[in-house]
Amino acid sequence: QKEVEQNSGPLSVPEGAIASLNCTYSDRVSQSFFWYRQYSGKSPELIMSIYSNGDKEDGRFTAQLNKASQYVSLLIRDSQPSDSATYLCAVNIADTGNQFYFGTGTSLTVIP
Amino acid sequence: DAGVTQSPTHLIKTRGQQVTLRCSPKSGHDTVSWYQQALGQGPQFIFQYYEEEERQRGNFPDRFSGHQFPNYSSELNVNALLLGDSALYLCASSLATSYTQYFGPGTRLTVL
Repeated sequence: QKEVEQNSGPLSVPEGAIASLNCTYSDRVSQSFFWYRQYSGKSPELIMSIYSNGDKEDGRFTAQLNKASQYVSLLIRDSQPSDSATYLCAVNIADTGNQFYFGTGTSLTVIP
Repeated sequence: DAGVTQSPTHLIKTRGQQVTLRCSPKSGHDTVSWYQQALGQGPQFIFQYYEEEERQRGNFPDRFSGHQFPNYSSELNVNALLLGDSALYLCASSLATSYTQYFGPGTRLTVL
């Protein structure tokens, strides 16, 4: 079983809409959860981290974590064409120290 | 405040050759992790260095080796290159006391 799974997309939303990206992880003791944005040909850029159940907001981004359901999501409000990228979910699992497991990423296109 | 830097940016090698990639962590960071990202995939953990020791290793063969220097910079060495080693190689730096990792721009390796 893969550690982290994401819908590869592509996901298309109109400009100004809310984009919802989802990620599930395997049944292990996961501690920390991260969302990275990766533009084509570039390296991943950290958007947000979340450690506790519930919502965490940062500007137009909201991360949601539900450990009981092994589910973490990212909402992007007022989506802009510049948000078009691949979004990677990363999970740090407690018994592997600081090793990240990444999903394959969800490709998002925001249509002007 | 300098971010994570990597060199070279691009590299072309032939099968059987050896390659060395370099990484300087973000200022103040003491831990370096290396990842391999194949096209269309999420980054895969290779190994992590802290205090000049390999602290963790992912599921990669012994052809992949590394080193960390006293100034926290790091090298990734790959011997006996295979066509399948063609990928974007990412270095991420962090503090040993934090799970948050910041990525460098990556080195694009092409094996012909």
